[in-house]
Amino acid sequence: IAGITQAPTSQILAAGRRMTLRCTQDMRHNAMYWYRQDLGLGLRLIHYSNTAGTTGKGEVPDGYSVSRANTDDFPLTLASAVPSQTSVYFCASSPGEAFFGQGTRLTVV
Amino acid sequence: AQTVTQSQPEMSVQEAETVTLSCTYDTSESDYYLFWYKQPPSRQMILVIRQEAYKQQNATENRFSVNFQKAAKSFSLKISDSQLGDAAMYFCAYGGATNKLIFGTGTLLAVQP
Repeated sequence: IAGITQAPTSQILAAGRRMTLRCTQDMRHNAMYWYRQDLGLGLRLIHYSNTAGTTGKGEVPDGYSVSRANTDDFPLTLASAVPSQTSVYFCASSPGEAFFGQGTRLTVV
Repeated sequence: AQTVTQSQPEMSVQEAETVTLSCTYDTSESDYYLFWYKQPPSRQMILVIRQEAYKQQNATENRFSVNFQKAAKSFSLKISDSQLGDAAMYFCAYGGATNKLIFGTGTLLAVQP
């Protein structure tokens, strides 16, 4: 089934640890995004990529990094997690409208 | 920079009635897309409706329709004959030339039986 797969679906992480959230799509969309969703703040863009090999910073990029080695994969890395990064993270891809993964609930303790 | 504003954090509607969710945006671009997404408790993000800015005709998808006022930069969502399954968080979103999708803060819709 075509779509976006995120892993893991949920994670509890100790502060200071490194974590990579995985995102894979099989729709061959050029544009991909990472958002975080927090109550009252909606979805805020962390990083994006318009095509393989390029990335850009969104609204809240600090503490996060991404790479786009190929069209299908767009991992998000937290180098040293902090409690304020507790959130639900969504990966999306887009030919116009965004197609979303199921989200990753991350809790940093 | 583009912004999207949803000024109604919560709304409530009686089953079978009509409700309108508001959204305004700010942009200097002339060519863009606008979207409404639904997020039920399952957390899944579901596209409800999209509108191309160059189209004057308002988009419609079954019970869902929009009132797109380009000059006023307004993009409201009307849900007719509301059903219990319409209860969800609704997000308005803007997509422009940079391909970045900008979301509003959402409106939580409750449907009363």
